[in-house]
Amino acid sequence: DAKTTQPTSMDCAEGRAANLPCNHSTISGNEYVYWYRQIHSQGPQYIIHGLKNNETNEMASLIITEDRKSSTLILPHATLRDTAVYYCIVGGGGTSYGKLTFGQGTILTVHP
Amino acid sequence: EAGVTQFPSHSVIEKGQTVTLRCDPISGHDNLYWYRRVMGKEIKFLLHFVKESKQDESGMPNNRFLAERTGGTYSTLKVQPAELEDSGVYFCASSQERGSHGYTFGSGTRLTVV
Repeated sequence: DAKTTQPTSMDCAEGRAANLPCNHSTISGNEYVYWYRQIHSQGPQYIIHGLKNNETNEMASLIITEDRKSSTLILPHATLRDTAVYYCIVGGGGTSYGKLTFGQGTILTVHP
Repeated sequence: EAGVTQFPSHSVIEKGQTVTLRCDPISGHDNLYWYRRVMGKEIKFLLHFVKESKQDESGMPNNRFLAERTGGTYSTLKVQPAELEDSGVYFCASSQERGSHGYTFGSGTRLTVV
């Protein structure tokens, strides 16, 4: 079972920041937080991951709370092409090493 | 750099027939994974290869599914005999390092069993 909780869907206006929340209250010390997205009919696409510190790359920023029980993925300037299902996944440590456990994800719709 | 390639992109077969899906990972990636999404369900892990060895096959649904990775390069996933509930999209992914950092997924094979 997925170890994360995400809203089912969210809307965002084009050009605005999209902030996607994720709860992972049972995360253990050696587990990472990963974000992937799936654009219709394509395979999942890696976005970003983090352990404790906030992370930023060319696609997005990841903000992890100090207690690591929740995080937020930020797409700073959403475009129509960012419309997708976004998955927050906890793993990469212990017995789950190498295996991603997908949940239902958040359907993000970016509108003009 | 070529991505993860899956073939065929679509396959329609009759119940009871055999189908073989192929995945070519990114060159040099030792780790290869199979996932699938069946209708209305979440994407589920099937198995993980490290080179030619099966590291974790805990997600394989039953013995009708057979995965191989000859010589640690491409991988095949055979379903024999196929059942209606096997319909779905089968994804392959590869990574250079073990663990979930930066998997690259293929576009998937859509399998329809009729």
